[in-house]
Amino acid sequence: EVHLVESGGIVVQPGGSLRLSCAASGFPFDDFTLHWVRQSPGKSLEWVSLITWDGSTTYYADSVKGRFAISRDNSKASLYLEMNSLTTEDTALYFCAKDSDVAAAGNSFEYWGQGTLVTVS
Amino acid sequence: DIQMTQSPSALSASVGDRVTITCRATQSINTYLSWYQQKVGKAPTLLIYGASRLQSGVPSRFSGSGSGTDFTLTISSLQPEDFATYYCQQSYTIPPTFGGGTRMEIK
Repeated sequence: EVHLVESGGIVVQPGGSLRLSCAASGFPFDDFTLHWVRQSPGKSLEWVSLITWDGSTTYYADSVKGRFAISRDNSKASLYLEMNSLTTEDTALYFCAKDSDVAAAGNSFEYWGQGTLVTVS
Repeated sequence: DIQMTQSPSALSASVGDRVTITCRATQSINTYLSWYQQKVGKAPTLLIYGASRLQSGVPSRFSGSGSGTDFTLTISSLQPEDFATYYCQQSYTIPPTFGGGTRMEIK
């Protein structure tokens, strides 16, 4: 069974920094693209970033480009999100998600963690 | 970026009803469209990918259709556990983008 468990969310002041982690199990971690997706309170979902299986390729939403950095450690089956220059607009529940890795699905999100809450205030 | 628009934004229905949610993209996305269900306080779960392909384990009362810019999610006979918020998402280009959601409520 696939498990994704996020951690690291806290209350942080504007301008601060934070590192989120996602521990994965139940699937061959180093075979899959992984994503961070966030959801502001009461709002829709916003894709944040992706990293390919080997870490060689990353993409970011324009809203976080230059401030956030995604990384992974395949030896630890862990995904990370380094967040800098945080603003109140970054307040959200941050989910890590496993890519479907099915050609017909494109970059869709097959499994999700329960999320970790980041509050910038 | 491709914008995704869902309608309606909220829907009241009864157990046993057939309901349809629509999703429109601002440009053609072929069939790179997924649907998710999110219950309050929970993570989203994948229902449909590739516009019409049912994710493993999802009940057959859920179905999806469409291609290009217009898509639908249909629930053939609403069950109590189906009352939730539904999101569409395009996976044709990066960044992947979501619709605003459709909140389904009990009538």
